[in-house]
Amino acid sequence: DADVTQTPRNRITKTGKRIMLECSQTKGHDRMYWYRQDPGLGLRLIYYSFDVKDINKGEISDGYSVSRQAQAKFSLSLESAIPNQTALYFCATSEYGTDGYTFGSGTRLTVV
Amino acid sequence: ILNVEQSPQSLHVQEGDSTNFTCSFPSSNFYALHWYRWETAKSPEALFVMTLNGDEKKKGRISATLNTKEGYSYLYIKGSQPEDSATYLCASRRYGGSQGNLIFGKGTKLSVKP
Repeated sequence: DADVTQTPRNRITKTGKRIMLECSQTKGHDRMYWYRQDPGLGLRLIYYSFDVKDINKGEISDGYSVSRQAQAKFSLSLESAIPNQTALYFCATSEYGTDGYTFGSGTRLTVV
Repeated sequence: ILNVEQSPQSLHVQEGDSTNFTCSFPSSNFYALHWYRWETAKSPEALFVMTLNGDEKKKGRISATLNTKEGYSYLYIKGSQPEDSATYLCASRRYGGSQGNLIFGKGTKLSVKP
């Protein structure tokens, strides 16, 4: 099994719908992140969490919310999806300090 | 420089060629520089995390150097193989501000022809 699991892998949804992307990890890492990837742009940080009681906005948090249900679970919600939220979404985890991030396999979201 | 810049955007080489890419990042308040390898349809995988000026890291045929004073890092691939084809991402983290904010470059896409 993957260390960081994202569900669903692919999703097509309609404008205005609420959608949740889920992320779970078996790494035992405290820190979890949500990024989005758009063509021609670098990975951009949406939200991050350093532990269950800690939630922080990233560079592009508008239109998104998150929930850290447990150390191992970090979900991303689009309250009312819009077409420009069509992107590849990655969840990642890390230890404190200078370790590299462990990424999930990504969720490709299309909002029509 | 406040953003992370990578060059070139893409690179096409023949099998056996050696190649290198550049990552430029903010030198002020430097904390760490990450390199990731991202194959198509897979997730990015960490190659190196570098923190000290002058640091050099090596993993097989891939190596990286770091200059924190001038804000650049080089990634080298010796004797490129088709399986090296991927997008190589660098990312910079700085002290202060948002500790969670690892800033990624747009990547260098490497294609190695057999």
